[in-house]
Amino acid sequence: GALVYQYPRRTICKSGTSMRMECQAVGFQATSVAWYRQSPQKTFELIALSTVNSAIKYEQNFTQEKFPISHPNLSFSSMTVLNAYLEDRGLYLCGARVGGWDTLYFGAGTRLSVL
Amino acid sequence: AQSVTQPDARVTVSEGASLQLRCKYSYSATPYLFWYVQYPRQGLQLLLKYYSGDPVVQGVNSFEAEFSKSNSSFHLQKASVHWSDSAVYFCALSMDSNNRIFFGDGTQLVVKP
Repeated sequence: GALVYQYPRRTICKSGTSMRMECQAVGFQATSVAWYRQSPQKTFELIALSTVNSAIKYEQNFTQEKFPISHPNLSFSSMTVLNAYLEDRGLYLCGARVGGWDTLYFGAGTRLSVL
Repeated sequence: AQSVTQPDARVTVSEGASLQLRCKYSYSATPYLFWYVQYPRQGLQLLLKYYSGDPVVQGVNSFEAEFSKSNSSFHLQKASVHWSDSAVYFCALSMDSNNRIFFGDGTQLVVKP
């Protein structure tokens, strides 16, 4: 079956530091990967959509300078939160799909806490 | 612009009762619609999806949803809920060539024994 693993599951960083999170697709080829942030209030924000061999498209209020994403192959993607502050706290979810209108499979997320 | 609205932040039902979680969307054409569930401390799991055809779609764990173009709705239903159905349910839509998926704010379902 199609599985998506995210690691670390939980991380704590000091204010102003950076942290990297990873997303691994197993059992299918992740042509497209979407990164979301879920706030403590449970609302979702789409950060960016990454498609292999295409430019990464960031949503309004999110930039490559703050959330650089790497999607080097069909099974792996990573995102870094640079200079993390309190407003960056939340659960970061990776959703991967084969392509087109296929189902988006999600990992369990990386929970970021900022001290 | 597209949007998804889940008007009920929290729904409480008794075990064995029927359930409807509401979802309204705003989009001029027919979007692609999804229902996801999030159990505590877990990611999102797909319950069902609608692309076209029969407006009533069947999903996992006996969930089903009915698409209504006239009402711009995609309500989730279950005939008899179990305590293990307690979770947060998210309605989502995708409508553009970029295949971005946008989520509603979620409905917390509490099933009382």
